[in-house]
Amino acid sequence: GNSVTQMEGPVTLSEEAFLTINCTYTATGYPSLFWYVQYPGEGLQLLLKATKADDKGSNKGFEATYRKETTSFHLEKGSVQVSDSAVYFCALSPRGAGGTSYGKLTFGQGTILTVHP
Amino acid sequence: DGGITQSPKYLFRKEGQNVTLSCEQNLNHDAMYWYRQDPGQGLRLIYYSQIVNDFQKGDIAEGYSVSREKKESFPLTVTSAQKNPTAFYLCASSPGRDNSPLHFGNGTRLTVT
Repeated sequence: GNSVTQMEGPVTLSEEAFLTINCTYTATGYPSLFWYVQYPGEGLQLLLKATKADDKGSNKGFEATYRKETTSFHLEKGSVQVSDSAVYFCALSPRGAGGTSYGKLTFGQGTILTVHP
Repeated sequence: DGGITQSPKYLFRKEGQNVTLSCEQNLNHDAMYWYRQDPGQGLRLIYYSQIVNDFQKGDIAEGYSVSREKKESFPLTVTSAQKNPTAFYLCASSPGRDNSPLHFGNGTRLTVT
């Protein structure tokens, strides 16, 4: 079956530090990959996505590259801010036999990020 | 503004009672989903519906039921058969097209004592 493994948290950084959150996946075929962010007491928001190998998703200074050879989709940001403190989820969406993604996401366990001033 | 509304934000029930969580969307999305979130775990899919009057079980459907009588609404009932109902429940929707991301509501925290 499909699975997503994220690096264990929590991750604590000082403002302006470099961030990496590792994500690896197991899936048949060619899934789409996503990073979602959850702020306290809220639902999840899409942060970025990539739909095929070597695609790079980017948003709000965050980036992640779809690496098929290593089945990875690591999240990076060059300089974090206090406002980036949240829980980050890596997720995959499988493709059906007809190449259709049915939207049934498999999520990693989430990584808590805390950024101090 | 378009979005997904889940109500209430907090819900308390006694063990043995059924409870229904509301989810409404005005995004004109075809597909809707219910996920459960527990501390230290990712989200797990309970039920999903890709069109009106049709729905499918997800990975952890036991003890839950849903209906999809209208495109905008996808209520979830947590029955007394659900062994560990206390959790954070998230509703989501998507256009149902390839690679379309999910849009989430702000969740309902259910506590059963």
